Amino acid sequence: NAGVMQNPRHLVRRRGQEARLRCSPMKGHSHVYWYRQLPEEGLKFMVYLQKENIIDESGMPKERFSAEFPKEGPSILRIQQVVRGDSAAYFCASSPQSSDTQYFGPGTRLTVL
Amino acid sequence: GESVGLHLPTLSVQEGDNSIINCAYSNSASDYFIWYKQESGKGPQFIIDIRSNMDKRQGQRVTVLLNKTVKHLSLQIAATQPGDSAVYFCAESSGYSTLTFGKGTMLLVSP
Repeated sequence: NAGVMQNPRHLVRRRGQEARLRCSPMKGHSHVYWYRQLPEEGLKFMVYLQKENIIDESGMPKERFSAEFPKEGPSILRIQQVVRGDSAAYFCASSPQSSDTQYFGPGTRLTVL
Repeated sequence: GESVGLHLPTLSVQEGDNSIINCAYSNSASDYFIWYKQESGKGPQFIIDIRSNMDKRQGQRVTVLLNKTVKHLSLQIAATQPGDSAVYFCAESSGYSTLTFGKGTMLLVSP
């Protein structure tokens, strides 16, 4: 049973470009969570999704950021018009039910030049 | 010993010692707590969890203690090994899902 998969592992973008981060949850998991981690800090919750639904996006910046988890395919975190402050590690986690343990992927490290 | 660095508290121990990593949480409504281990360049790895109806839970070489009165959580690692060197995060949640992470403690194990 493969774990949570994220790609790309490293992403470099120039200011103003778009970043797309993908997350495939563990098999049998229908709940996906995105977190952001700045260097030497803990993870900060961004958004919680189930298939085709956003359950909680209270941690997501109101502008430029969006997330989806379609019926088929991976969850996507999209950052439009990236700025240097978006540089961080973005982690995805999944769980089978909302109250269950969240298992994390390896992360995508975004660098904005 | 334990010290506070510029960014992350650091705990330095000798191989074979027992390690205790502490975490204070703020939300009295939190009912689920998890410890994660994060090695450099990797995602958080689940270690052990505990629900608020318990005050102690044991795993393989690890024990989590929960004191709800003072909102304190600790992770005890027995016979610490160099492979245990990592940053350890506690996380809490209330209700359905969202995890709130602590700042993290770096554990350094010397052979």
